[in-house]
Amino acid sequence: NAGVTQTPKFQVLKTGQSMTLQCAQDMNHEYMSWYRQDPGMGLRLIHYSVGAGITDQGEVPNGYNVSRSTTEDFPLRLLSAAPSQTSVYFCASGGTVRFQETQYFGPGTRLLVL
Amino acid sequence: RKEVEQDPGPFNVPEGATVAFNCTYSNSASQSFFWYRQDCRKEPKLLMSVYSSGNEDGRFTAQLNRASQYISLLIRDSKLSDSATYLCVVSLSGSARQLTFGSGTQLTVLP
Repeated sequence: NAGVTQTPKFQVLKTGQSMTLQCAQDMNHEYMSWYRQDPGMGLRLIHYSVGAGITDQGEVPNGYNVSRSTTEDFPLRLLSAAPSQTSVYFCASGGTVRFQETQYFGPGTRLLVL
Repeated sequence: RKEVEQDPGPFNVPEGATVAFNCTYSNSASQSFFWYRQDCRKEPKLLMSVYSSGNEDGRFTAQLNRASQYISLLIRDSKLSDSATYLCVVSLSGSARQLTFGSGTQLTVLP
């Protein structure tokens, strides 16, 4: 049981390039989400999904696309990278532990856009 | 105004000390409340949920005051391993979904 995995761990992009951040979970959770974390700002919700085939926008969705074709995977696509997208990206999946729903976060992807 | 506000610290305390963190939230419709812990360059991990009646988990006590929109975390008998950033988190849903995070309070416990 690996929990939530994210790849890559680190990535450097040039402005205008596109890429996909991968996220997978093996806990059969319906709910998955993407956050970005910037210094002094806390984590902010980008997109989320309540199940396969269903996605919705969070607080800061511009410049990002998501899809959810399977329960396990929830990739985040940067369409045309900008320096403002330099951040640490965390994927999370939601499940119930001792009758309480909680979010399990992946180890993060550190992205630098030059 | 930030939706969730925390004193960024840093708080530097000696081992064995008691330390308290405070947090305020702006949306009175918030329904769920949590404290997460984040170690340096790691992912956030749930420390505890916060209930209106207050709740305790070992050395950690969390309190919620809905009227004042105020959340607190008390750590007793601090350990070196408590050094981390503590994130105050709220959700408009009745579950742990679509979380809104504070920017965190940094704690360093000194030997």
